[in-house]
Amino acid sequence: DAKTTQPTSMDCAEGRAANLPCNHSTISGNEYVYWYRQIHSQGPQYIIHGLKNNETNEMASLIITEDRKSSTLILPHATLRDTAVYYCIVRVGYSGGGADGLTFGKGTHLIIQP
Amino acid sequence: AAGVIQSPRHLIKEKRETATLKCYPIPRHDTVYWYQQGPGQDPQFLISFYEKMQSDKGSIPDRFSAQQFSDYHSELNMSSLELGDSALYFCASSPEGPTTDTQYFGPGTRLTVL
Repeated sequence: DAKTTQPTSMDCAEGRAANLPCNHSTISGNEYVYWYRQIHSQGPQYIIHGLKNNETNEMASLIITEDRKSSTLILPHATLRDTAVYYCIVRVGYSGGGADGLTFGKGTHLIIQP
Repeated sequence: AAGVIQSPRHLIKEKRETATLKCYPIPRHDTVYWYQQGPGQDPQFLISFYEKMQSDKGSIPDRFSAQQFSDYHSELNMSSLELGDSALYFCASSPEGPTTDTQYFGPGTRLTVL
């Protein structure tokens, strides 16, 4: 799986949009960008994933650059409950019956300030 | 919606003892994954099973073994426990089908080895 680079930590004011960047310059054509988050000691929570088109769901939006070398996760209206470590993970979207484990990097510790 | 169930949620063992952790995947999910998260660390992939067969293997110690049963639940068996095995252990499951193998995590089992 391609390596990802994320800032160690970020602050965001409550109610504002939180924009979390991720660099994945060695991403392959069949690799997706996945985002998970982990609120203190809870199980990682799936947020969103995408291949090359921008994606949006009830939790967040994912913006992937045209060259696919970087992406941004957007939480449109951050709340205190969004304080967590956010992981950007690049991997094959479907391993054809396999079950490849996720490789968690260091992630970004997002702190939402009241 | 149903989630991944892990039991027990907390477990305390002595050094050199054995422990068994259980994971019940989301209904209609046929793939399970095990992760270990030490204090202050990011989750590390241990092992996965697809349709009751071992699929991918990560940094799982030889003292650990796992299996998936006919009802798709999985058990992680840990023998000769060491102090360094104290960690959160997460199970994740992913659905059958050719479109995605997005992993959904359980709440974890906190293992303390004394």
